[in-house]
Amino acid sequence: GENVEQHPSTLSVQEGDSAVIKCTYSDSASNYFPWYKQELGKGPQLIIDIRSNVGEKKDQRIAVTLNKTAKHFSLHITETQPEDSAVYFCAAERINDMRFGAGTRLTVKP
Amino acid sequence: ETGVTQTPRHLVMGMTNKKSLKCEQHLGHNAMYWYKQSAKKPLELMFVYNFKEQTENNSVPSRFSPECPNSSHLFLHLHTLQPEDSALYLCASSLQTSGGADTQYFGPGTRLTVL
Repeated sequence: GENVEQHPSTLSVQEGDSAVIKCTYSDSASNYFPWYKQELGKGPQLIIDIRSNVGEKKDQRIAVTLNKTAKHFSLHITETQPEDSAVYFCAAERINDMRFGAGTRLTVKP
Repeated sequence: ETGVTQTPRHLVMGMTNKKSLKCEQHLGHNAMYWYKQSAKKPLELMFVYNFKEQTENNSVPSRFSPECPNSSHLFLHLHTLQPEDSALYLCASSLQTSGGADTQYFGPGTRLTVL
């Protein structure tokens, strides 16, 4: 089955700096890669996603890159703000089977 | 608001109790999921329902019993749980088109504590 590794487990940055979170996956059949943000007391919320036919996608301060050959994908957050502080999860999915990384706790210091 | 609601938000139960978790989605989706979220571990998929039919059971102990009466509602019946079952239980739904993986939308979760 699919195995998703996520690094780092914790990340602390200064407000305004960039943050990068990296994930690797093992199943070449995975073709959908969402990123979720989970704030305290809430369920995971989708923030951006990418499908296997695309190498990069950007939405304002958030971008995701995908390297299918190497089986890794990354989340990039630029100009970080304190409200970006949360736990971020990557996931790799094929039909009906989504596997998550263990999460990265991002802290943005004002 | 994701359109997926869960009740109760918090639940404390003894090992001999029987309780149920409820999930409702207002998104017109056809697939619903139960996940278990424990501290410092990846989300664990427990059950998947497509068009009310169970299509996945990830070796979940029989003390967890799912029920999906229709595409909008999903239950997780709990009985004789163990303290290690304490976790956040998340429900999710997705449109489930005929081909390709699709986005899952999560509810806020039920924080379960087993004494």
